Amino acid sequence: DSGVTQTPKHLITATGQRVTLRCSPRSGDLSVYWYQQSLDQGLQFLIQYYNGEERAKGNILERFSAQQFPDLHSELNLSSLELGDSALYFCASSPKLGILAGASYEQYFGPGTRLTVT
Amino acid sequence: AQSVTQLDSHVSVSEGTPVLLRCNYSSSYSPSLFWYVQHPNKGLQLLLKYTSAATLVKGINGFEAEFKKSETSFHLTKPSAHMSDAAEYFCVVSELDGGYQKVTFGTGTKLQVIP
Repeated sequence: DSGVTQTPKHLITATGQRVTLRCSPRSGDLSVYWYQQSLDQGLQFLIQYYNGEERAKGNILERFSAQQFPDLHSELNLSSLELGDSALYFCASSPKLGILAGASYEQYFGPGTRLTVT
Repeated sequence: AQSVTQLDSHVSVSEGTPVLLRCNYSSSYSPSLFWYVQHPNKGLQLLLKYTSAATLVKGINGFEAEFKKSETSFHLTKPSAHMSDAAEYFCVVSELDGGYQKVTFGTGTKLQVIP
């Protein structure tokens, strides 16, 4: 158990709908990452938040958005869903941001949310 | 700019034989390197990491990796494969970019262990 929780575990919805995925990082971790994993595209980095602020963007579509709240949990919002958005969505957290004294912080991954768009 | 290349998308070994999963990286600065493992329908789990200390890094479950700067490689090895090692493995490079940690994942190597 990594200490990162994600809800829900499974989500089935129709095209055109909007869903919200939730992530709670490990206690004390300030940085949250979102990833999408699909069979055809592999593991894709979407977005990173640190202490409530967006810090890095990856291959995130305009239909997707995220935020990190004062209690450090994060939500990923997916709207106007398409069949191709069906994937596993992972959240990961890490203690801090940046590299200090040559050290780099590993990420702790949640179990993922499996989204199926029909 | 950083990048990471996992040279094999699939590797198949017999149980009890050595495992070698290859990873090459490109980085502008002194990177940190990681290997993660993902078992089917599970999240990713850290196997080991290199952060400029010893070049030979030991991880969990008997895995180890050697950082070779001259070859820009960070290959993952295990002396003897176990059935439970069947999973997908990701090599990851991380470096400081404008004061923030930038992380790049490889495309993954699926390890099959044959009984």
